[in-house]
Amino acid sequence: ILNVEQSPQSLHVQEGDSTNFTCSFPSSNFYALHWYRWETAKSPEALFVMTLNGDEKKKGRISATLNTKEGYSYLYIKGSQPEDSATYLCAPPGAWGGKLIFGQGTELSVKP
Amino acid sequence: GAGVSQSPRYKVAKRGQDVALRCDPISGHVSLFWYQQALGQGPEFLTYFQNEAQLDKSGLPSDRFFAERPEGSVSTLKIQRTQQEDSAVYLCASSSHRVSYNSPLHFGNGTRLTVT
Repeated sequence: ILNVEQSPQSLHVQEGDSTNFTCSFPSSNFYALHWYRWETAKSPEALFVMTLNGDEKKKGRISATLNTKEGYSYLYIKGSQPEDSATYLCAPPGAWGGKLIFGQGTELSVKP
Repeated sequence: GAGVSQSPRYKVAKRGQDVALRCDPISGHVSLFWYQQALGQGPEFLTYFQNEAQLDKSGLPSDRFFAERPEGSVSTLKIQRTQQEDSAVYLCASSSHRVSYNSPLHFGNGTRLTVT
């Protein structure tokens, strides 16, 4: 069973701060790495699907990098806004199929 | 309604009752997943369908849990003789491709089950 670790577990920042958090996963048998954002009372929403070592993806003020050799991905948010408050989940597929194995998430709270 | 739809949104069950949770995936999506999310944890995999075939049920916690997708579209997760530890949010997700390595999952809003 894959062990997926996310840190920190929670983060409180002020509006305008830039922030980043980490997802660690086993580097062997790597297929892909998914990032999702889950706002309260809504459904989890896909941010990125990353497959290549060194990949960097961007969506507005949010970007992510991927290092498959050492088994980590960083998610960056530039100039955090209150609407960025959510739980951010990362998930690689499991070794035996397409199911995603989720980390416990990083809960971000952005105060105005 | 282009998204994944789950019902009911909230369910309160007395311990020992049976419950049925419904998932309506995006039309044409081949893959369907069920996840269980307990408070403070990430979603935990329960089971996976490709069309009507249940390809992986390794995450179902006990034989009280049963899932089906008889016509390859709507899926039902049934929990028999509910226990307090079954209290969680149950998420359904679908994907347009057979293997979701590269394609993202589309999630429903979840069903929050509370067993009293």
